[in-house]
Amino acid sequence: GAVVSQHPSRVICKSGTSVKIECRSLDFQATTMFWYRQFPKKSLMLMATSNEGSKATYEQGVEKDKFLINHASLTLSTLTVTSAHPEDSSFYICSARHNGRGTDTQYFGPGTRLTVL
Amino acid sequence: RKEVEQDPGPFNVPEGATVAFNCTYSNSASQSFFWYRQDCRKEPKLLMSVYSSGNEDGRFTAQLNRASQYISLLIRDSKLSDSATYLCVVNSDTGRRALTFGSGTRLQVQP
Repeated sequence: GAVVSQHPSRVICKSGTSVKIECRSLDFQATTMFWYRQFPKKSLMLMATSNEGSKATYEQGVEKDKFLINHASLTLSTLTVTSAHPEDSSFYICSARHNGRGTDTQYFGPGTRLTVL
Repeated sequence: RKEVEQDPGPFNVPEGATVAFNCTYSNSASQSFFWYRQDCRKEPKLLMSVYSSGNEDGRFTAQLNRASQYISLLIRDSKLSDSATYLCVVNSDTGRRALTFGSGTRLQVQP
């Protein structure tokens, strides 16, 4: 199946620093990628939809100035958590939409576990 | 009311048992339905799509009742490796294809 990678897989940082997470579709082009966040024992919550070449669409309650999304190419979207605080500690997962001949499926990256001290 | 509701479990069953998970969704305009599996501290992986006519993949059978807005997953002959959290997932926004996840039902298959 299609492969999506995320980097880094785990990051520990001090409060106030910014953290960039990369999401790459390795064997297909993805005009749309999604960023989710999952707190312990909770479900995945959609944060934003990342559209190649245009601004991201943020879900209600997600601060666009805090969670910067860039989708500069058809295979790469980045999420930057600016001035991270302990409450931002979570599991961040991206997915890439594979919309091709006979298929329209989302593939998930392996996730990035962020711990803010 | 949550968009997608599931019984959180956990369901503790012996190997070989048959177990059924249920899910309800609130948006009657929802178009696509899926079951995902998520192992501890891992990303979700697509288990199967759910079609109106019902569909089967080996030991797994999924059913959809649009009138009742109800989705089910049946696992037969449970294996230890089936232990995971099963997520009911709905696509209500056909334009963006963003997915809405239920909170998951945890399954623990015991020897």
